[in-house]
Amino acid sequence: RKEVEQDPGPFNVPEGATVAFNCTYSNSASQSFFWYRQDCRKEPKLLMSVYSSGNEDGRFTAQLNRASQYISLLIRDSKLSDSATYLCVVRGNYGQNFVFGPGTRLSVLP
Amino acid sequence: NAGVMQNPRHLVRRRGQEARLRCSPMKGHSHVYWYRQLPEEGLKFMVYLQKENIIDESGMPKERFSAEFPKEGPSILRIQQVVRGDSAAYFCASSPKKQRGPESLTDTQYFGPGTRLTVL
Repeated sequence: RKEVEQDPGPFNVPEGATVAFNCTYSNSASQSFFWYRQDCRKEPKLLMSVYSSGNEDGRFTAQLNRASQYISLLIRDSKLSDSATYLCVVRGNYGQNFVFGPGTRLSVLP
Repeated sequence: NAGVMQNPRHLVRRRGQEARLRCSPMKGHSHVYWYRQLPEEGLKFMVYLQKENIIDESGMPKERFSAEFPKEGPSILRIQQVVRGDSAAYFCASSPKKQRGPESLTDTQYFGPGTRLTVL
């Protein structure tokens, strides 16, 4: 089993749609969780950190379920500019490296 | 405040040559990570360094690859005797000195623009 798994995608949605991405991780000792986005042939950019209490940033909402080892990202009112690959990232204890999921590609269509 | 800088942005090498990729972390960041991304694939961790120390090199191929982060100057990822399979995008990321507490860890990584290595 891979350490971090994501919805295989791609997701093709119309503008204004709500889309949800799922991610599961295998290391129960993981401490830090993030969502990054990566545009084609560009570097990954931090979208948001994910906290146990859940967090929201504008149209983006992230949830963490430690018991199920599950992370989600919800995008509301999707825009054309949201088209990208979304990467789920997990880190174990202090000093351990980051593990990236394979990514889920989103295409928002006009 | 300059971000993570990598150079060169594009590097072309013939099989058997050496490739040197450089990464300057963000100001105030003391942790550097190198990743490789093959075409149409996800990022794979290679190595994690602090100044003058390799913390985790579990993702580095056993041969031909090495990394350093000297006291002065950028971090260097060195690939000796390159082969076609080394063609990829190599990303460097940096993070600041950590604070304590699981959800206050300021260990967010910031990525450089990457170096695209092409081996002919």
